Amino acid sequence: GENVEQHPSTLSVQEGDSAVIKCTYSDSASNYFPWYKQELGKGPQLIIDIRSNVGEKKDQRIAVTLNKTAKHFSLHITETQPEDSAVYFCAAKVTGNQFYFGTGTSLTVIP
Amino acid sequence: KAGVTQTPRYLIKTRGQQVTLSCSPISGHRSVSWYQQTPGQGLQFLFEYFSETQRNKGNFPGRFSGRQFSNSRSEMNVSTLELGDSALYLCASRAGGGEDGYTFGSGTRLTVV
Repeated sequence: GENVEQHPSTLSVQEGDSAVIKCTYSDSASNYFPWYKQELGKGPQLIIDIRSNVGEKKDQRIAVTLNKTAKHFSLHITETQPEDSAVYFCAAKVTGNQFYFGTGTSLTVIP
Repeated sequence: KAGVTQTPRYLIKTRGQQVTLSCSPISGHRSVSWYQQTPGQGLQFLFEYFSETQRNKGNFPGRFSGRQFSNSRSEMNVSTLELGDSALYLCASRAGGGEDGYTFGSGTRLTVV
């Protein structure tokens, strides 16, 4: 089955700096890659996703890039704010199969 | 529209007991998946139901079971509870047709003592 690795496991940045979280996947058939943000006491929330026919997608301060050849994808958060502090999960999916999640990155934005 | 609703939010059970957790998906969503979340193991996939049929299943023992009703609501059951079953159980729904992301509920925090 698919194997998704996520790095780093913890990340601290100063407010206003950028944060980058990277994931690699093993199954070249994976074609959908969502990112989730989980705040304390809540379930994960979808923040952005990308499909395999696209190399980059941006939504305000959040962007995701996908390199199918290298089988990795990354989440970029610019101009970080304290409310960006949370745990972020990446995931990969093959059509018809289940989602495979990374192990999470705990992001702390220091005011 | 209403989000994914999980009940109860918190639950304390004794080893050996059984428990049933409930999930109401977003209206119109036909796919419901269940995950176990623990600090050490992250998000572990339990199973996915689509139109009352189990579509995918993770690597959990047979003590973990689920079902989906005709209105897409889902339940999961854990029998003969063990201390290691203590976790946050998350339900997630999606429309289910193609590639789209989940909407998660807030979870049920199960503590086994």
